[in-house]
Amino acid sequence: DIQMTQSPSSVSASVGDTVIITCRASQDINNRLAWYQKKPGKAPKLLIYVASSLEEGVPSRFSGSRSGTDFTLAISSLQPEDSATYYCQQSKRFPLTLGGGTKVEIK
Amino acid sequence: EVQLVESGGGLVQPGRSLRLSCITFGFTFGECGMSWFRQAPGKGLEWVGFIRRKAEGGTTEYAASVKGRFIISRDDSKGVAYLQMNSLTTEDTAVYYCSRDPVRGDGYTFDNWGQGTLVTVSS
Repeated sequence: DIQMTQSPSSVSASVGDTVIITCRASQDINNRLAWYQKKPGKAPKLLIYVASSLEEGVPSRFSGSRSGTDFTLAISSLQPEDSATYYCQQSKRFPLTLGGGTKVEIK
Repeated sequence: EVQLVESGGGLVQPGRSLRLSCITFGFTFGECGMSWFRQAPGKGLEWVGFIRRKAEGGTTEYAASVKGRFIISRDDSKGVAYLQMNSLTTEDTAVYYCSRDPVRGDGYTFDNWGQGTLVTVSS
């Protein structure tokens, strides 16, 4: 199985800051990596697919990138509504696996 | 508007069975793959299983934790996906989400999700 190691597990930042979340795959997944936002009591929301493509309707302050088996989600100009937990998910092969999540808190 | 609505959750005793439904609206259900995820209390998201669209054989994939106990099926005529859960244990307590894979060539990525249904396994 492909292991997805996500860090940090939590981060606290101020409005306007840039937050970087990383995810490392245990083997090559090409660009088959998605990022989701999850708020308590809400459905997960797709933000980024194939590592760097922005899902329709998602604000452009969210961006994704890839370097080998390392992937990053950047949230620039952090907004209060970005308070959530973020998950990466490899979409390369079954079993599908997700990172452990990163909780983003607003100071 | 694309909508996915889960139903069928509730309280069930260990060892019993439960069937969840995912009713969909606003898209051509038969053209999409469908997946189930879950989130146990205080834990992260976990993938449960997937069913391909009929054009790709309608076959299924499962996480090791549920393989042999859970079965995913679909009724394209009704736009509904199902999750049959057997031999439930307390470890299966979670909010269960269904989600849609639009099959756009980007791997197994899920662009729409339901609000979830809570399954509590307890005696």
